[in-house]
This record gives sequence, structure tokens and C-alpha cells, in this order.
Amino acid sequence: EVQVVESGGNLVQPGGSLRLSCVGTGFSLSNHWMGWVRQAPGQGLEWVANINRDGSGRYYVDSLKGRFTISRDNAKNSLYLQMNGLRAGDTAIYYCARIVVDAVTGMDAYDTWGQGTMVTVSS
Amino acid sequence: DIQMTQSPSSLSASVGDRVTITCRASQSISRSLNWYQQKPGKAPELLIYAASSLQGGVPSRFSGSGSGTEFTLTISSLQPEDFATYYCQRYSGPITFGPGTRLEIK
Repeated sequence: EVQVVESGGNLVQPGGSLRLSCVGTGFSLSNHWMGWVRQAPGQGLEWVANINRDGSGRYYVDSLKGRFTISRDNAKNSLYLQMNGLRAGDTAIYYCARIVVDAVTGMDAYDTWGQGTMVTVSS
Repeated sequence: DIQMTQSPSSLSASVGDRVTITCRASQSISRSLNWYQQKPGKAPELLIYAASSLQGGVPSRFSGSGSGTEFTLTISSLQPEDFATYYCQRYSGPITFGPGTRLEIK
């Protein structure tokens, strides 16, 4: 079964750092772009970042550039999100998601999502 | 930046009803539009990609249409398990999700 499982969420003080991890099972991470999406409590979905297959291309929502870094280790079938300078507004569930490219349309979509990991930024 | 809007923001319907949710982009995004369903406490699930292609395993009562700036998600006959929040997502340029449409039981 294809799955992704996140970990690393925690309570952290404002200004602190946290590293989230995501492990893929049932598929080879190296064959897929991957991404992070977050959801603040009671709010909608917000794209955070995507990374291409070999990690050479990283894409971020403008509001998070410079504070968050997406990376991957294909040998470990793992995806990461390094979050620095955390703020109260970063409090959210962070989802790891696999990106699939449809062979016919060439369109991308997040086809596999983890259960999410909660990050709470508070003093 | 291209903005995504959804209407209605919430909707009450009954089992068996036909329901349509609309997603609009402030500029043309061709057919780069996906739809997701999210149930409370769960991760989103992909329903429709490329505006009208049904994701594998998704019931055929779900359908998508549109291109350019206006898109629709239709559920032909609501089932109890369909009560959830639905999000559209633009997948060209910066990825953007719509604000969501909450579908509730009447």
C-alpha cells in the first residue's frame, strides 16, 4: 500500500526551529516530486513547498521563503521540512503529499497524503 | 497573483440531491485545476485532476468540468459519506487552494 507518514511535529516557542520528516512506503520516493501543505486550525489548505525528484529544484510559497527549507533523501525514501524562525501564524497541521503526473494530461496533483503532524508555536 | 474563489462557501443538502460547487480563477489557468475532499480530522483526498479526470477509486457520481476561469464539481446523487469540505486547487504557477466549500446535511 502506498503511504506517507509524517513525524516531528511539536510545541515550539516563537523564534524556534523544527524539522519535520516524512517517510514513504510502498513506492520509491525518487520517482516523484513531493510537497508539503499546511492547515491552520479551523482553516483551509495552504501550499508550503514542493521539491523535484532529485532535490535540485525547490519551490516555496512566497510568504515562507527564507524561513522554511524543503529537502529529501531518496536513499531513505524520506522528505523533510526545516522550519526556522517559527511564528504563531505557523501553527498548523503539516501534511506531506506525493505528487503524481498524469501521463495523458501532463497535469500534476497530490495523490497521496499523510495523516499530518501538528506544529504549535506558542510561549 | 491569480486568486481562487469557491461558491458557495457552505451548502446544506440531502442524501440523493444533485450538488454543484463552483471554483473561479481570477485569470485563465487552462485546465490546471484539481478537486479534493476533506472529512473532519482527516487528510484531503484527490477526487478530480486536470479539471475533469476522475482519480482512480473515486465513485463515478463525482464529476468535474470547466476550463479557463470557471470550473465545477458535481455530485450527481449525494451519499452520506459525501458530507465534507471540498477544495479546488490551481496547479499552474504558484499552487493555490480555494477557500473551501463545506457540504452539510440538511
